[in-house]
This record gives sequence, C-alpha cells and structure tokens, in this order.
Amino acid sequence: AQSVAQPEDQVNVAEGNPLTVKCTYSVSGNPYLFWYVQYPNRGLQFLLKYITGDNLVKGSYGFEAEFNKSQTSFHLKKPSALVSDSALYFCAVRPPGGGYNKLIFGAGTRLAVHP
Amino acid sequence: DAGVTQSPTHLIKTRGQQVTLRCSPKSGHDTVSWYQQALGQGPQFIFQYYEEEERQRGNFPDRFSGHQFPNYSSELNVNALLLGDSALYLCASSQDRVGSEYFGAGTRLSVL
Repeated sequence: AQSVAQPEDQVNVAEGNPLTVKCTYSVSGNPYLFWYVQYPNRGLQFLLKYITGDNLVKGSYGFEAEFNKSQTSFHLKKPSALVSDSALYFCAVRPPGGGYNKLIFGAGTRLAVHP
Repeated sequence: DAGVTQSPTHLIKTRGQQVTLRCSPKSGHDTVSWYQQALGQGPQFIFQYYEEEERQRGNFPDRFSGHQFPNYSSELNVNALLLGDSALYLCASSQDRVGSEYFGAGTRLSVL
C-alpha cells in the first residue's frame, strides 16, 4: 500500500539551531514529493516540492528538503530555526501516473522551537 | 488575488443530519479536491472534481458526495452524519489535475 511515514510526533529545537523533520515514503515509481505547514486554526500552506532534478529543493521561509531515492526519504531542513517556525508539518506524496492530483499525507510532525 | 475560500468556518450538527460545505478555488484554478483531517491525523483524500465531474475518489462511503459548478466552485455534501465525521474539511484547488494544490483554511465540523 502507498504510504508516508513521519517517524517523529514532535521535534524540539532551540532557536538558531538547525532543524530536520524526517519523512519516508512507500510509493512505487517516481512520485512528486511535498512539504506543507499548518498553523493553529489554519489550512495547509505549501512550502516546497520535488518533481525531478537536483536532490536539494529550496522552498519558502528558508526551508529546504533533501530527496534521497535509495532511502525513499524527503527530509525537511532549515539551517537556523526561528520561534515562528513552530507549527505542524506534513509530508505528502503524489503517486505517479493517472494524471490526478491526489496527495497522500503523513500523520504530521509538530515542530517546537524554543527561545 | 483571493486564495481558496471555504464556508462556513465552523459547523455543529447532530447525528443523522446532512451538511453542505462550500469552496471557491483560487483564481485561475479549475480543479478542486476535498480532504478530511481528523484530529491528530494527516489529511485524507475524499475526491477530486475537474470539468464538473468527479475524477478520482478516495476510500470514503457514498454518504460523501460533491458537486462542481461551471465557475469551478465546489460543494461537499455529507448525509446521515456520524460522530466519526467530526473533522476539519479542507478544500484544495489547482490549475489543472496535476498542478500544485493550494489549500483553504478549512471548515471544522462537529457532530454531536
């Protein structure tokens, strides 16, 4: 079955330190990969996506993600965390083929950045 | 340029009732998808509408139905509400069936 795993329910990091939020996927073929962020009582905001090309993708608000095909991972990173980065982060994949937009989401990882 | 807008913001219903949620896509977008996000979980795909037809459906019962209008706006209807239908319902739109999806703020449905 197609799935996305975010192994950490919560990630704690001090402001100014680098952060990593992990994501692995189980989808055959070459899926599109996404990261979204959700603030309290808000919808999902698009951060970045990987379709093809360079394995390091740069996105909004200083975030980047590294695609690793052999490990089927797409970890979200930021060199220096801000308190305002505290939110719920979702990794998602779009299975290849079919010509449709369906996204499969992970369960989410809560990021807490401490001053 | 308005993004994806959803109404209402919050809704309280009782078991067995029916509910209709509404979504207006981002300007220039023609495809609308609906997702259900239960508390503490990631969004689950319900269905997608393109050219006023349901093009793809997730693992949801027939109690969940939808519609897309000629102006690309969409409705999600849920009949015979169950307690387990309580969730945040998210609408997403894209420029075509494979473009990046932009999400609305959601409608929080509580079933009592």
